[in-house]
Amino acid sequence: ETGVTQSPTHLIKTRGQQVTLRCSSQSGHNTVSWYQQALGQGPQFIFQYYREEENGRGNFPPRFSGLQFPNYSSELNVNALELDDSALYLCASSWRGPTYEQYFGPGTRLTVT
Amino acid sequence: KQEVTQIPAALSVPEGENLVLNCSFTDSAIYNLQWFRQDPGKGLTSLLLIQSSQREQTSGRLNASLDKSSGRSTLYIAASQPGDSATYLCAVKDYGQNFVFGPGTRLSVLP
Repeated sequence: ETGVTQSPTHLIKTRGQQVTLRCSSQSGHNTVSWYQQALGQGPQFIFQYYREEENGRGNFPPRFSGLQFPNYSSELNVNALELDDSALYLCASSWRGPTYEQYFGPGTRLTVT
Repeated sequence: KQEVTQIPAALSVPEGENLVLNCSFTDSAIYNLQWFRQDPGKGLTSLLLIQSSQREQTSGRLNASLDKSSGRSTLYIAASQPGDSATYLCAVKDYGQNFVFGPGTRLSVLP
């Protein structure tokens, strides 16, 4: 069974640029959620994708957008990067079933300068 | 709006001690509660998941309880080991698609 993978591991961008982060779901999972974790804080829910559609969203502006593909992998896109976007971005996959237990990837560390 | 808090923020104990980590949430209408472990700069590892209809779950030296009416969950770690040193996070899911995490408890177990 393959776990959740994310790429890249680290990324450095300049304010105003755009970035795309990628996530491959755990085998058999059909739902992907994205989180932003600032240093020393708990993860903040960005949004969730199910069957290639956004299925729930936290308190994040529209410049945070995503995609889910037929193989259940996913992308997180952030436009017009701001310094406060510097964080660890976590992807979690789950099976949309009775438990919704989430399994997390190792994360992508984004630094905006 | 659901809010999740965790007490204490940090904890340092000698090896072998039994310890309790606390998680509180403001809205009792939760679908489930999940406890995670996070090593520095890493992703989250799921430890235990408690459905809203359950009172507790156990895995090895870990036991988690849930009291929905009081908005509390506790994670009990028996016979702590240096390898248990990490940040422990709790997260609640509502009946929509919202997941809310607490800020975590940073645990250090000293040899």
